[in-house]
Amino acid sequence: NAGVMQNPRHLVRRRGQEARLRCSPMKGHSHVYWYRQLPEEGLKFMVYLQKENIIDESGMPKERFSAEFPKEGPSILRIQQVVRGDSAAYFCASSPGLGNTEAFFGQGTRLTVV
Amino acid sequence: LAKTTQPISMDSYEGQEVNITCSHNNIATNDYITWYQQFPSQGPRFIIQGYKTKVTNEVASLFIPADRKSSTLSLPRVSLSDTAVYYCLVGDSKPGSARQLTFGSGTQLTVLP
Repeated sequence: NAGVMQNPRHLVRRRGQEARLRCSPMKGHSHVYWYRQLPEEGLKFMVYLQKENIIDESGMPKERFSAEFPKEGPSILRIQQVVRGDSAAYFCASSPGLGNTEAFFGQGTRLTVV
Repeated sequence: LAKTTQPISMDSYEGQEVNITCSHNNIATNDYITWYQQFPSQGPRFIIQGYKTKVTNEVASLFIPADRKSSTLSLPRVSLSDTAVYYCLVGDSKPGSARQLTFGSGTQLTVLP
């Protein structure tokens, strides 16, 4: 049973480009969380999704950021028109839900905006 | 939403027992207490979870007093590889409750030889 897979592991984008980060949850998991971590800081919640539904996006910036978790395929975190301040590690976690608070995290995608 | 407070950092020596305490004065009846470990450049890893009294697994023990306003993660006989950031999370375990995974600042544990 493979763990949470995130790709790419490293992503470099120029200012103004789009960044797409992918997260494949563990098999059987229908809940996905996205977090952002700036250097030397803790993880900041961004969004919580179930299949085809956004449950809580209270941590998402109001502009340029969007997330989806389609019926088929990985969850996608999309950042449009990236700026230098978007440079961070983005972690995805999945859980089976149903009251289980143990979540499994991926290795993260390190986005660098140049 | 229960806020957690942990020491920013702790130092220990190899072979010692380490206790990291987390304060969560506003913990709610439905809230569980969960601890995660994070190494540099990696995602957090679940360590242990509890609701009250004491929980033990192969990695750590979790002590929760009767009032549940704090909890203590105990790591027996730490090694250099236990150097990491440890996060205490408090949240509702009910389905659909995203706040169950709200991370604080964590405690940087450094194990010295």
